[in-house]
Amino acid sequence: DAGVTQSPTHLIKTRGQHVTLRCSPISGHKSVSWYQQVLGQGPQFIFQYYEKEERGRGNFPDRFSARQFPNYSSELNVNALLLGDSALYLCASSFDPPRVEAFFGQGTRLTVV
Amino acid sequence: GESVGLHLPTLSVQEGDNSIINCAYSNSASDYFIWYKQESGKGPQFIIDIRSNMDKRQGQRVTVLLNKTVKHLSLQIAATQPGDSAVYFCAENSGNTPLVFGKGTRLSVIA
Repeated sequence: DAGVTQSPTHLIKTRGQHVTLRCSPISGHKSVSWYQQVLGQGPQFIFQYYEKEERGRGNFPDRFSARQFPNYSSELNVNALLLGDSALYLCASSFDPPRVEAFFGQGTRLTVV
Repeated sequence: GESVGLHLPTLSVQEGDNSIINCAYSNSASDYFIWYKQESGKGPQFIIDIRSNMDKRQGQRVTVLLNKTVKHLSLQIAATQPGDSAVYFCAENSGNTPLVFGKGTRLSVIA
């Protein structure tokens, strides 16, 4: 069984551009959460989606948005990129609305220059 | 605001010794705790969890201890191996709140 898969693995963008990151959850998992991990810090919660509905949102500006598709995959979009958006973006999936973020993807390393 | 933090940013241990990684949390309402291991270039990997109605839980070579009185969590790794070298995070939540992660402790195993 494939784990949580994210694409792309690495990405370089210029300030002001937008970016779309993708996540495919483990088969059967209906909940997807997104986290931002700045170098040297722990992951910080951005969004949680369950059954295609937003169930939670962290303290991030409106430049960050996400959605979940009927097949439970998800996209994270970031507009008007800032240098400070450079981070590892992690996706986690679980079957129920998570108490347990047991399964993380390998992340997408975003560098904004 | 609520936070989860770690006492030590780095920990070096001799191969074969036991490792203890500590974590302090501030949200007294937290009732679920998880330890993750993150290797370079990878996402966090679930190690072990514990609910607030327990004070100890054991897994394979790992033990998590929870002291709710002082809001302290620890991860003990027995017979530490080179493959245990990684950054370890504690995380907590309560109810349906999202997980809050600490900053992490880097464990280096000396062969």
